[in-house]
Amino acid sequence: DAGITQSPRHKVTETGTPVTLRCHQTENHRYMYWYRQDPGHGLRLIHYSYGVKDTDKGEVSDGYSVSRSKTEDFLLTLESATSSQTSVYFCAISDLGTGELFFGEGSRLTVL
Amino acid sequence: LAKTTQPISMDSYEGQEVNITCSHNNIATNDYITWYQQFPSQGPRFIIQGYKTKVTNEVASLFIPADRKSSTLSLPRVSLSDTAVYYCLVGEAGSNYQLIWGAGTKLIIKP
Repeated sequence: DAGITQSPRHKVTETGTPVTLRCHQTENHRYMYWYRQDPGHGLRLIHYSYGVKDTDKGEVSDGYSVSRSKTEDFLLTLESATSSQTSVYFCAISDLGTGELFFGEGSRLTVL
Repeated sequence: LAKTTQPISMDSYEGQEVNITCSHNNIATNDYITWYQQFPSQGPRFIIQGYKTKVTNEVASLFIPADRKSSTLSLPRVSLSDTAVYYCLVGEAGSNYQLIWGAGTKLIIKP
């Protein structure tokens, strides 16, 4: 299995508090992604990165920011969490070529 | 961006061959077809990818007709552990940021 670690795996927080989710990879892959998945839906891309300090928005980026200061780490920050951001968040990585995505185990976030 | 249409759910029995069809009428010349599998509480996992005709690996086959407007994922001799959600995706190889993930097909395998 690809070396991807997400932390925390579970978090409960209150509306208005900041939250940071971390994705760490040991594969040295160039691309990293943050998705969210809600019941009955597929994955929706929040932000992605194509290199250190190179990031771009996905389809549901409002309310989220990201940073990538090292190849192996991609951070997702909710500056002021809202109940609508209650979701399961998945980090993924890929490299060039076929572009196969490798996913982490997910981080379940509950905003009360 | 090509969108895909696949059945919401399917049932089958252990030992049977299961075929899941995906429609992608607006597929572009440079697009590949990729299937992922997702178990509850886990991230999706790559199954197979193809461009045209037939692709086979150790777990599945992918059939793509000449017009490429649809594709069929074939799972031979399924077991209970194949119960999962299966996603069909269409896009340029490596352009994962452009992929649109639908709700997938929930496959339930019965004993």
